[in-house]
Amino acid sequence: QVQLQESGPGLVKPSQTLSLTCTVSGGSITSGSYYWTWIRQPAGKGLEWIGRIYTIGSTDYSPSLKSRVSISLDTSKNLFSLKLNSVTAADTAVYYCTRFNSFGFDFWGHGTMVTVSS
Amino acid sequence: DIVMTQSPESLAVSLGERATINCKSSQSVFFNSNKKNYLAWYQQKPGQPPKLLIYWASTRESGVPDRFIGSESGTDFTLTISSLQAEDVAVYYCQQSYSTPFTFGPGTKVDIK
Repeated sequence: QVQLQESGPGLVKPSQTLSLTCTVSGGSITSGSYYWTWIRQPAGKGLEWIGRIYTIGSTDYSPSLKSRVSISLDTSKNLFSLKLNSVTAADTAVYYCTRFNSFGFDFWGHGTMVTVSS
Repeated sequence: DIVMTQSPESLAVSLGERATINCKSSQSVFFNSNKKNYLAWYQQKPGQPPKLLIYWASTRESGVPDRFIGSESGTDFTLTISSLQAEDVAVYYCQQSYSTPFTFGPGTKVDIK
């Protein structure tokens, strides 16, 4: 059974960079045809797709975040990472890492709350 | 971007009764190559990540009870809970994976009447 676990700072100052990692267990991050994805959810609100990375390293990002976001793979540690720079209070949310299997997000991390505040 | 809309925003249904949630995509999410609509439904309970219930508009994910039924008509999609159980109280989201950026509907909250 694949498991995903987010980790990173819960508090980030405005204008700084939000950095999160998602450690994958129960399977190799390079096997299969999966897209490893970040999704966020502000408190009490809906789900926003941030972007994804394929097993070979190609990426797609949300146009609304593209200028600030980067997703990368670390195959030696079986994890993928999110960096979002120049953050503001609007980036405060629960951040989820998830696996997309070509028709749906089938495995999710528990989510990690990130607050942007000075 | 493909815009997903859902109705109603919330509904309350008696235990054992039917709950119906509607979702509409702003453009087709149908792939001619495999004749599938790339529309999924998720259930999210408080403090938990979303759970995949249905994909390709009407295919249940493994382990999902058969009271969850997805249907489709063009760009209109429906999730029906045929006999609402207490554990079905949650917010339900539709989501398209036809084109990036993948987008979700705003969610429908289901409660017990």
